[in-house]
Amino acid sequence: DVKVTQSSRYLVKRTGEKVFLECVQDMDHENMFWYRQDPGLGLRLIYFSYDVKMKEKGDIPEGYSVSREKKERFSLILESASTNQTSMYLCASSLSGSAKNIQYFGAGTRLSVL
Amino acid sequence: SQKIEQNSEALNIQEGKTATLTCNYTNYSPAYLQWYRQDPGRGPVFLLLIRENEKEKRKERLKVTFDTTLKQSLFHITASQPADSATYLCALKPYGQNFVFGPGTRLSVLP
Repeated sequence: DVKVTQSSRYLVKRTGEKVFLECVQDMDHENMFWYRQDPGLGLRLIYFSYDVKMKEKGDIPEGYSVSREKKERFSLILESASTNQTSMYLCASSLSGSAKNIQYFGAGTRLSVL
Repeated sequence: SQKIEQNSEALNIQEGKTATLTCNYTNYSPAYLQWYRQDPGRGPVFLLLIRENEKEKRKERLKVTFDTTLKQSLFHITASQPADSATYLCALKPYGQNFVFGPGTRLSVLP
């Protein structure tokens, strides 16, 4: 079974702090994604990566950056956390070239910025 | 503007009945559509995929239909059970764009 592991289930940070959210997948997937999930809005794509050291902006990249130094690890960085970044953050991975493009998700990190 | 909607935020049904969830979209050209299940405190889990040229797909008690004229997908769970209680998300894959997720419908199957 594919396993996508997010380093923290819950995080509480202060406004202005730099925040790192880590995600690791164990199935050698090329593609990795970061979403945030807010009530009534669905999952919104922040950044994605199709290969090591490669990154692409999603629909809401402002205030975030990412890093992919190794194939299995995709990090989301909040350079200076703000209260409007309080949300559930979900990491996902998928196999490149797959006809179904199934995304495998981690359990999520619930971030509160005070 | 582009939009994806799921008909209701919450749906309650009696055990044994068929649950029908709706996903509507506007101004997208879909290549295919997926349905995911999400339990509290968990990430979404893939259930079914249906392509633009397919009318219906089935998997055990699950059935998905896709009408690109109506711009709508229906997701059915027959003989529903309390264990089917969860939030169900539709995810549209438009040509040349990333996946777009609906806000989800929280299904409660009452014993």
